[in-house]
Amino acid sequence: GQNIDQPTEMTATEGAIVQINCTYQTSGFNGLFWYQQHAGEAPTFLSYNVLDGLEEKGRFSSFLSRSKGYSYLLLKELQMKDSASYLCAVVDSNYQLIWGAGTKLIIKP
Amino acid sequence: IAGITQAPTSQILAAGRRMTLRCTQDMRHNAMYWYRQDLGLGLRLIHYSNTAGTTGKGEVPDGYSVSRANTDDFPLTLASAVPSQTSVYFCASSVRQGDNSPLHFGNGTRLTVT
Repeated sequence: GQNIDQPTEMTATEGAIVQINCTYQTSGFNGLFWYQQHAGEAPTFLSYNVLDGLEEKGRFSSFLSRSKGYSYLLLKELQMKDSASYLCAVVDSNYQLIWGAGTKLIIKP
Repeated sequence: IAGITQAPTSQILAAGRRMTLRCTQDMRHNAMYWYRQDLGLGLRLIHYSNTAGTTGKGEVPDGYSVSRANTDDFPLTLASAVPSQTSVYFCASSVRQGDNSPLHFGNGTRLTVT
């Protein structure tokens, strides 16, 4: 079967750094997405990785290791508005998106 | 403003009733999708369409049907609603299926079947 694992919930402090991990076992791999979803709202695109390494985009960075089936999303200089769920999704060999259940990130002052 | 519009925003529906959730996009995207989102589970694909005139089944298609008569519209129909279809439904689109183009989501329809 295909599986995406993410922690259910994480807590961090405003101004700090947090790393949200995602491990996957899928039939093939054609890329990995991270989305942000605020409570009661639609998911919005954050990043896409298809090659190994780190992609940096402002305060957010995403890392991929295909050999380990592993990705992480790194959020720096946390702000209260970063409180949201973060969804990891893998594109499998049939170009279908397989979604993790999401990680709820709680930011405390 | 370009994007995806879903209607209604929320609905309470009696079991056994028929319901169509509407979805319209104005970005001229080829691919469109319907997902349901339930607490503790990832987004699950119900049906998809790679281009106007074609549709396909996703992970959880039973009890749902779709049509894609044109590029912009992708309605989802529940023929006879059951309580297990209580969920938040998201419509999404992408430039095309099968590449790295990200999904754009509508704001969702919160459906309660009683």
